[in-house]
Amino acid sequence: GQQVMQIPQYQHVQEGEDFTTYCNSSTTLSNIQWYKQRPGGHPVFLIQLVKSGEVKKQKRLTFQFGEAKKNSSLHITATQTTDVGTYFCAAYYGGSQGNLIFGKGTKLSVKP
Amino acid sequence: DGGITQSPKYLFRKEGQNVTLSCEQNLNHDAMYWYRQDPGQGLRLIYYSQIVNDFQKGDIAEGYSVSREKKESFPLTVTSAQKNPTAFYLCASSSGGGSSTDTQYFGPGTRLTVL
Repeated sequence: GQQVMQIPQYQHVQEGEDFTTYCNSSTTLSNIQWYKQRPGGHPVFLIQLVKSGEVKKQKRLTFQFGEAKKNSSLHITATQTTDVGTYFCAAYYGGSQGNLIFGKGTKLSVKP
Repeated sequence: DGGITQSPKYLFRKEGQNVTLSCEQNLNHDAMYWYRQDPGQGLRLIYYSQIVNDFQKGDIAEGYSVSREKKESFPLTVTSAQKNPTAFYLCASSSGGGSSTDTQYFGPGTRLTVL
């Protein structure tokens, strides 16, 4: 089946440092979504990217969708302790909604 | 207070017993999903339903069963045939309709431990 690769699996940063997680697919995506799961919590939708080359910002978070619609990234500027959690990308290839494929996630820890 | 509820939060069962996890939503969503999450893993789709009285197998349906008799409810049964049932189970819903821009809303999850 379809797979989406997400790296890195873990990232430890000092508060104030930047953080980036990447998702890659071997085939073209219809769209990609990003979710955040706080420790002990459940995934919460952050954003969706649909257009080739799309860039969206949410305060310190910047989301990008590649020109070929095969990769995406989430960048956090000047991390804060509130950013701790696991960030998942979820790729949609088309067809039924059941084809939303989640990456394995990047677990971010922030040292104050 | 709209949302998705899952109960119980923690569940313990003996090996060989079937167990049913509850998922209810009052968001008037057509589509509902069950995922399994293991440490270091992403979310793996067990079953999904896009409309009442219809559901489809996901990537890891073996050892699980579901029903969708009401729009609001999508219970998941973990049967004794599931070889490694201990995991965190997440239910989600979306407005459905086959839209590619659909986003999913997750419940708080049920952590199942089989002893």
